[in-house]
Amino acid sequence: NAGVTQTPKFRILKIGQSMTLQCTQDMNHNYMYWYRQDPGMGLKLIYYSVGAGITDKGEVPNGYNVSRSTTEDFPLRLELAAPSQTSVYFCASSQISTGTYEQYFGPGTRLTVT
Amino acid sequence: EDQVTQSPEALRLQEGESSSLNCSYTVSGLRGLFWYRQDPGKGPEFLFTLYSAGEEKEKERLKATLTKKESFLHITAPKPEDSATYLCAVLEGAQKLVFGQGTRLTINP
Repeated sequence: NAGVTQTPKFRILKIGQSMTLQCTQDMNHNYMYWYRQDPGMGLKLIYYSVGAGITDKGEVPNGYNVSRSTTEDFPLRLELAAPSQTSVYFCASSQISTGTYEQYFGPGTRLTVT
Repeated sequence: EDQVTQSPEALRLQEGESSSLNCSYTVSGLRGLFWYRQDPGKGPEFLFTLYSAGEEKEKERLKATLTKKESFLHITAPKPEDSATYLCAVLEGAQKLVFGQGTRLTINP
């Protein structure tokens, strides 16, 4: 199993541009998450999904959108990129139905908006 | 609102020098406390889950313990490869993790 994969690894955007961060998991997990991590800070939840077709906002959703059409994929869309969105973005997944709650993370996407 | 505070922010140890990292939390009804390891440029790697006060989990040189207000990650006789940032998180609701800011651990040979 590859686990959670993310693309791209790095990206530089100009202010006002848009992009989609890709996330795929091959563990058949029902829950998926997007976090951002700023230097010296903990991870902040952006959006999460409890299954295909169901998404909900986390702590810092402004400026982002998500969709989940399949169990495996959970893309994060940035519209009108701003410098405040410069961060490292992590996707994660978990299988809540087994009674365990640990989340498994991808390698991250480092985004710079200039 | 759930809060998680980790201390110290950074810790330097000599190889073989044991120590502990602290994670204090305020949560209404703990459903789970998680420890992760994060290497530079990588995603967090799951280490332990603790569910109730008094519970302990061990993995190689690491042992995690839990009380009603805090968790400790004890590192016994650490090696340079144990150098990483260690993250603590609590489960909020059924699915959201609230993270602390992490402790950056450096083990000098």
